[in-house]
Amino acid sequence: DIQMTQSPSSLSASVGDRVTITCRASQSISSYLNWYQQKPGKAPKLLIYASSSLQSGVPSRFSGSGSGTDFTLTISSLQPEDFATYYCQQSYSTPHTFGQGTKLEIK
Amino acid sequence: QVQLQQWGAGLLKPSETLSLTCAVYGGSFSGYYWSWIRQPPGKGLEWIGEINHSGSTNYNPSLKSRVTTSVDTSKNQFSLNLSSVTAADTAVYYCAVVPVVTDAFDIWGQGTMVTVSS
Repeated sequence: DIQMTQSPSSLSASVGDRVTITCRASQSISSYLNWYQQKPGKAPKLLIYASSSLQSGVPSRFSGSGSGTDFTLTISSLQPEDFATYYCQQSYSTPHTFGQGTKLEIK
Repeated sequence: QVQLQQWGAGLLKPSETLSLTCAVYGGSFSGYYWSWIRQPPGKGLEWIGEINHSGSTNYNPSLKSRVTTSVDTSKNQFSLNLSSVTAADTAVYYCAVVPVVTDAFDIWGQGTMVTVSS
């Protein structure tokens, strides 16, 4: 199985901050990396697919980059509705695996 | 726009079989993989398995011996069975669709909380 490791596990930030979350794969996954946002009691929501493609309807302050084993999700200017947990996920091979999550909290 | 609605029993006893169904509304049933994902309380996401409209499947090796998925194309539904459940299977279970264009879990069901307790 491909292991996905996110850092940090939690992060405190303020509205307007620029935030970066990192995801590392245990082997190369090309650009088969997706990012999700999950709020309490809700299903995850797809933000970024194929490492850098913005899902329809997702604000442009979200961006993704990377290939191979190292990937980042960047939120350019945090908004109040962005405080949530973020997961990366590889779709390179089955079993599809997720990172452990990064909880983004209000400072 | 595809929407998913899922249902199934929410309380099981150890050794029973978990059964969930997900209905697809508002779009084609073919050309996608239909997945099941779970999330134990307070924990992360675990992929269980997937099936396409023709019945081709992939399962997580950690659950493969207990998982069965099926499709009913006449009803635009797909189902999950997980046998011999234990307390470790307590989780919110989600169905989700993977379109070819994104190769990601694009649309999700609302989730079903399944509790295993004697």
